[in-house]
Amino acid sequence: GEDVEQSLFLSVREGDSSVINCTYTDSSSTYLYWYKQEPGAGLQLLTYIFSNMDMKQDQRLTVLLNKKDKHLSLRIADTQTGDSAIYFCAETPGGGSYIPTFGRGTSLIVHP
Amino acid sequence: KAGVTQTPRYLIKTRGQQVTLSCSPISGHRSVSWYQQTPGQGLQFLFEYFSETQRNKGNFPGRFSGRQFSNSRSEMNVSTLELGDSALYLCASSLGRNSFNEQFFGPGTRLTVL
Repeated sequence: GEDVEQSLFLSVREGDSSVINCTYTDSSSTYLYWYKQEPGAGLQLLTYIFSNMDMKQDQRLTVLLNKKDKHLSLRIADTQTGDSAIYFCAETPGGGSYIPTFGRGTSLIVHP
Repeated sequence: KAGVTQTPRYLIKTRGQQVTLSCSPISGHRSVSWYQQTPGQGLQFLFEYFSETQRNKGNFPGRFSGRQFSNSRSEMNVSTLELGDSALYLCASSLGRNSFNEQFFGPGTRLTVL
């Protein structure tokens, strides 16, 4: 089946930028998503990008998509301790299938 | 506007039993999706309901079923529970079907199977 890969951990200093990376295998992906999950909570959709775009910016968040390399990244500017959470990358394929595939999640640890 | 609510928040069952989880979507949302989250398999899509009909289904055995009522509330049922069914079950709602780019998630139901 299709696969979405992420690194497991990322540690940054408060105020720095964080970059979380994701690769996927499905060349027919239509939408790619970033979710945030805080301890004991459900998922929060942070942002998404349509596959015909290569960049999307939303306040402190910047999503970059390299469709040729099937690589997606999420950059968080001026990272704060409140950004500490698990971040999931996900994709929904095209071709009439809307079943999302998620990565295993990247734990972002922000230290002072 | 109230968010997505899931009941119960925690549940302990034994192998072989069955369980029913409930999800109340945001008012006006007609689509409800269910997900299973485990340390081993990560986040996996179970199914999506829209207008009381199952629209999409993930790769789970028939022991996992669901339904949606006319008020858009949804229930998920797992029969003949196995130890591997221990997981956080998340429900998400959206206005329309296949609208994964506008989903809102509930806090989840933590199911433990002993």
